[in-house]
Amino acid sequence: EVQLVESGGGLVQPGRSLKLSCAASGFTYSNYVMAWVRQAPTKGLEWVASISTGGGNTYYRDSVKGRFTISRDNAKNTLYLQIDSLRSEDTATYYCAKVKGPNWDYYFDYWGQGVMVTVSS
Amino acid sequence: DIQMTQSPASLSASLEEIVTITCQASQDIGNYLSWYQQKPGKSPQLLIHSATSLADGVPSRFSGSRSGTQYSLKINRLQVEDTGIYYCLQHYSAPFTFGSGTKLEIK
Repeated sequence: EVQLVESGGGLVQPGRSLKLSCAASGFTYSNYVMAWVRQAPTKGLEWVASISTGGGNTYYRDSVKGRFTISRDNAKNTLYLQIDSLRSEDTATYYCAKVKGPNWDYYFDYWGQGVMVTVSS
Repeated sequence: DIQMTQSPASLSASLEEIVTITCQASQDIGNYLSWYQQKPGKSPQLLIHSATSLADGVPSRFSGSRSGTQYSLKINRLQVEDTGIYYCLQHYSAPFTFGSGTKLEIK
């Protein structure tokens, strides 16, 4: 059974940093592109970033480039999202998502339960 | 960026009714279109991939179709458990973009 379990969220002051983790199990983690998707309170879904199977290639939405860093540790079956210079507009539930295949252009077939990040002073 | 225009924003229908939700892509995305259901307080769940293929375990009353750059999700014989918000996603090119969502409630 595929499982994705996020952690690391919480209440953070503007300008501070946070690192989210997503522990994966139930599939051969290193064979799949992974992604982060977020959802602000009462809002829709927004793709944030994706990372290639080996971790060498990454994609980001423009609004987070330079502040967010997606990474992965295939030995630990874990996905990360480093968030720096947090802004109030980063307040959201962050979901880890597994991409169906080894390429960027596959759909998201499994999602984690989400982790809440609240940016407030 | 590719825009996904989803309609309607909300929908109220009766049990056993047929409902249709549409997403219009701003450019050709082929079949790189998937549909997700999100129930209150839960993470999204895959319903349809590749525009028309039913995901594993999803009831056959759900179906997807494509006409050019317009994509539709159809739910036959609406059930109580179909309540939720439905999103389309284009994964043809980054930034990958979701539709704005359709909130479905049962009368």
